[in-house]
Amino acid sequence: KNQVEQSPQSLIILEGKNCTLQCNYTVSPFSNLRWYKQDTGRGPVSLTIMTFSENTKSNGRYTATLDADTKQSSLHITASQLSDSASYICVVSSNNAGNMLTFGGGTRLMVKP
Amino acid sequence: DAGITQSPRHKVTETGTPVTLRCHQTENHRYMYWYRQDPGHGLRLIHYSYGVKDTDKGEVSDGYSVSRSKTEDFLLTLESATSSQTSVYFCAIGEASGILNEQFFGPGTRLTVL
Repeated sequence: KNQVEQSPQSLIILEGKNCTLQCNYTVSPFSNLRWYKQDTGRGPVSLTIMTFSENTKSNGRYTATLDADTKQSSLHITASQLSDSASYICVVSSNNAGNMLTFGGGTRLMVKP
Repeated sequence: DAGITQSPRHKVTETGTPVTLRCHQTENHRYMYWYRQDPGHGLRLIHYSYGVKDTDKGEVSDGYSVSRSKTEDFLLTLESATSSQTSVYFCAIGEASGILNEQFFGPGTRLTVL
């Protein structure tokens, strides 16, 4: 069964600090891996998307890495801001009909002043 | 939210009543999806559509039906709502073509079944 596991489940950091969120997956066949940000009461919004051949992708203060051999990904947030408080969801896409996605449970990040 | 609206945004209903949620897009995407999001679970696919009148089941389709009579509208129906269907429902749209097959999500509908 395709699965995506994320850690930690929740995290509290002080404004200005860095943090790293982890994602492990067992999805086959693999197409791409994406990180979404979901603000409270809103739908998920894509931050980065990486294919098999990419091992890093940045979007401003967000940098995602992918190790396709170990099936692990991380999302690093630099110089956190209060607006980074949200859930971050790791999602893996499979090469099958309908563009099926497997979602992780998310990491809930709280940035405190 | 990438030209996607969902209605209603909030609904409270009683067990056994029928409920229909609507997803409307202005992006002319071929694929539309319905997901539910529950604490302790990632988003789970209920049903999806790959064209007008073309639909298929997802991971958690029991108790749900869908219809797509127009490209822009995708309806999710709970024929007889149960308390286990209390959840936040998200619609998504996409093209499902190419390796970077992006999905864009709507704002969600919070459904409470008493």
